[in-house]
Amino acid sequence: ETGVTQTPRHLVMGMTNKKSLKCEQHLGHNAMYWYKQSAKKPLELMFVYNFKEQTENNSVPSRFSPECPNSSHLFLHLHTLQPEDSALYLCASSQDQAGVNEKLFFGSGTQLSVL
Amino acid sequence: GENVEQHPSTLSVQEGDSAVIKCTYSDSASNYFPWYKQELGKGPQLIIDIRSNVGEKKDQRIAVTLNKTAKHFSLHITETQPEDSAVYFCAASVFNDMRFGAGTRLTVKP
Repeated sequence: ETGVTQTPRHLVMGMTNKKSLKCEQHLGHNAMYWYKQSAKKPLELMFVYNFKEQTENNSVPSRFSPECPNSSHLFLHLHTLQPEDSALYLCASSQDQAGVNEKLFFGSGTQLSVL
Repeated sequence: GENVEQHPSTLSVQEGDSAVIKCTYSDSASNYFPWYKQELGKGPQLIIDIRSNVGEKKDQRIAVTLNKTAKHFSLHITETQPEDSAVYFCAASVFNDMRFGAGTRLTVKP
């Protein structure tokens, strides 16, 4: 148990559906992240929130919409996805994003399949 | 930006042997180098990390070495056990920009 919980674990959706991924951390961290993990590729950073403020959007298509209502919760809203968006979506947290303590704690991910 | 190359992509060893995974990075300003282990069905877990002011760090059976001049760092696992089987990722970070390698799938055969 890493202290970062993601739901659902698996999600199958059609290209016209709207769904949301949820992440919750119980570590008292201030920074939260969304990563995309595709087979045999490096983890791709999507979004970063520090103290609930979005500090990074790594050129992610607008069909992915993040939301961070507080430092413990992070959502990724999905709509009109493409089959190439099928991947494992990982949430992570760290104490902060100041660069002093960059240890990332990952959740188990949501395996997304877009049909 | 930073670019991290990781080799090999797959590695198979016999139980009890050592395993070495190597990474190179491109940005000489990178100052933090973590290694993550990802088991099936789980997210990556930090197993060891090193900062640029240190050349080597050891934690029981795992060790990491850093060569700043050559811009490469390596993970060493000694006395491998079946439970070491997983995908291992290296990463290099500069100014909060952390880039990951593509991963190494390690299989330890009993």
